[in-house]
Amino acid sequence: QKEVEQNSGPLSVPEGAIASLNCTYSDRGSQSFFWYRQYSGKSPELIMFIYSNGDKEDGRFTAQLNKASQYVSLLIRDSQPSDSATYLCAVNPQGGYQKVTFGTGTKLQVIP
Amino acid sequence: GAVVSQHPSWVICKSGTSVKIECRSLDFQATTMFWYRQFPKQSLMLMATSNEGSKATYEQGVEKDKFLINHASLTLSTLTVTSAHPEDSSFYICSARFPIQYFGAGTRLSVL
Repeated sequence: QKEVEQNSGPLSVPEGAIASLNCTYSDRGSQSFFWYRQYSGKSPELIMFIYSNGDKEDGRFTAQLNKASQYVSLLIRDSQPSDSATYLCAVNPQGGYQKVTFGTGTKLQVIP
Repeated sequence: GAVVSQHPSWVICKSGTSVKIECRSLDFQATTMFWYRQFPKQSLMLMATSNEGSKATYEQGVEKDKFLINHASLTLSTLTVTSAHPEDSSFYICSARFPIQYFGAGTRLSVL
C-alpha cells in the first residue's frame, strides 16, 4: 500500500464547476497535510496546508481533513481553465521538521 | 511566502561532464533542504535530504557518489551530478522547509 494515494486522473470538470480532489494516507499518526499545484514543466507551488480535522478555506480553495478516515481533500470552487494542473497531496507523517511524502498527483482539466 | 531560488533553470551538457545545481533560501535559514527528481509525466521522487553541516541522507537506490550534495551554509545547498549520462536527464527540484516545504523553480538537465 502506498503511503499517500491519489487518483491520477485526469479529472475533467467544466468551467465554473466545483473540482474535488481526494487523497488517502496510510500513517494514522500523520500530523500535517499539504496541497501543491504543479503546472506542466514547472515546480510545485503550495496552495494550502491543514493540520486539524475539518475544513479550511482560502479563497476558492477548501481543504478538508478527516483523520479518522485518513482522508484529505481539496475543493476548488468556480473552477477556471487556469486551474488545470496536477495537484499533489503531501503528508508529514511525524510532524515537525520531517520530510513529507508526496502522492503521485491528480491531473485536473477544466474545460472552458 | 518564503522564497527558494534555484540555479540554473536549464543546463545542457555533454556526457561525462559534471553539473552543479544551486539551491538558496533567500529570506530564511534552512537547516534542511530536499532534492527531488522528476521524469516527464511522473511524480516527484525524493533523492536526498540535505542537512546543514552534516552529510546528506540519500534515499534507497540513489547513488551518493554520483549525486554529491553539499549544504555548507544555512542558505545554500548544492547538488552536483557527476559524470552525467543521458539517463540522468531529468527535472531536478530543490525544496526547503520553513517549516512548510517551498520549492525552487527547478533545473532541467539535458545530457547529450
